[in-house]
Amino acid sequence: EAGVVQSPRYKIIEKKQPVAFWCNPISGHNTLYWYRQNLGQGPELLIRYENEEAVDDSQLPKDRFSAERLKGVDSTLKIQPAELGDSAVYLCASSQGTFYGYTFGSGTRLTVV
Amino acid sequence: KQEVTQIPAALSVPEGENLVLNCSFTDSAIYNLQWFRQDPGKGLTSLLLIQSSQREQTSGRLNASLDKSSGRSTLYIAASQPGDSATYLCAVSGANSKLTFGKGITLSVRP
Repeated sequence: EAGVVQSPRYKIIEKKQPVAFWCNPISGHNTLYWYRQNLGQGPELLIRYENEEAVDDSQLPKDRFSAERLKGVDSTLKIQPAELGDSAVYLCASSQGTFYGYTFGSGTRLTVV
Repeated sequence: KQEVTQIPAALSVPEGENLVLNCSFTDSAIYNLQWFRQDPGKGLTSLLLIQSSQREQTSGRLNASLDKSSGRSTLYIAASQPGDSATYLCAVSGANSKLTFGKGITLSVRP
């Protein structure tokens, strides 16, 4: 079984440029999460999807961040425009349900210069 | 608001030592607790998942315990090896399906 797939693995962009991250969850996992992990910190939730519906986006900075999960499968997280403080690792996770725990992808390391 | 604490932030031990990593959380109303391992520059690998009704889980040299009433979990690593060097993160899941993480403990096992 393939795990959670994320791309790209690394991205370096100049500030004010747009950037997008892609995630393909494990087949059959209805719940998809995007987390952001700053250096030396634990991951923090940005947005949670149940199928194609964003059920918790309270931590998503909506002025510059957007996300979508078309057809309830893969998802895209976008930042426009990027700021220096957005440099972090962006992690995607999926789950069959809370009882089963969570599976994370390898993450995308974003560097904004 | 759930808060998860992992102390110390870093730990260095000689190879072969048995060790315990601690995790505490403020809200005991959790569904489960999950321990993850993170290697530098990599994503999170799940090590053990403990449901709120369980007391412990074991996988190989790893044993995780959960005391929900006191808000504590421990990850026991037996006979540590240099390959165990990584950051270990504890996370709890609550009623809103949100996973709340600690900051992690960076473990270094010296040969």
